[in-house]
Amino acid sequence: DVKVTQSSRYLVKRTGEKVFLECVQDMDHENMFWYRQDPGLGLRLIYFSYDVKMKEKGDIPEGYSVSREKKERFSLILESASTNQTSMYLCASSFLTGGGEKLFFGSGTQLSVL
Amino acid sequence: QQQVKQSPQSLIVQKGGISIINCAYENTAFDYFPWYQQFPGKGPALLIAIRPDVSEKKEGRFTISFNKSAKQFSLHIMDSQPGDSATYFCAASRTGRRALTFGSGTRLQVQP
Repeated sequence: DVKVTQSSRYLVKRTGEKVFLECVQDMDHENMFWYRQDPGLGLRLIYFSYDVKMKEKGDIPEGYSVSREKKERFSLILESASTNQTSMYLCASSFLTGGGEKLFFGSGTQLSVL
Repeated sequence: QQQVKQSPQSLIVQKGGISIINCAYENTAFDYFPWYQQFPGKGPALLIAIRPDVSEKKEGRFTISFNKSAKQFSLHIMDSQPGDSATYFCAASRTGRRALTFGSGTRLQVQP
């Protein structure tokens, strides 16, 4: 089974702190994604990466950056955390099926910024 | 701009009933339409998907109906069971773009 592991299930940080969210996948997938999930807004794409050291902005990249130094690891960085970044963060990896990309998600990190 | 609009936000269905969730999209370049299912405390998981060359796809009790001219697609859950209680997301993407655009989600409760 594909496994996508997010380093923390719950995280509490202070406003202004630099926050690192880590994600590791074990299926050698080229594509990895960071989404945030908010009630009533669904899943919104922050950044994605299609290869090591390659990244593309998603729909809501402001206030975030990413790092992909190894194929299996994709990190999301909040340079200076703000209260409006309190959310559930979901990491995913994917491969291309006959129909389209099949995403495998981690269980999420619930981040609270106080 | 919300490219994939999903309704209803929440749905309560009796056991054995039919659950119907609807999505509408704006971008005519979209050519892949999956549905994801999310249980509490878990990440979403692919449930079923369709491409626009067919109008319907069925897998067990789950069916996607697709209307290309109306730019709408829907998920039907037949004989709904309490174990189907979850949040469902529709999504869309186009060839060449790896990322999915998701709808806002529908929380389904199936009452025993």
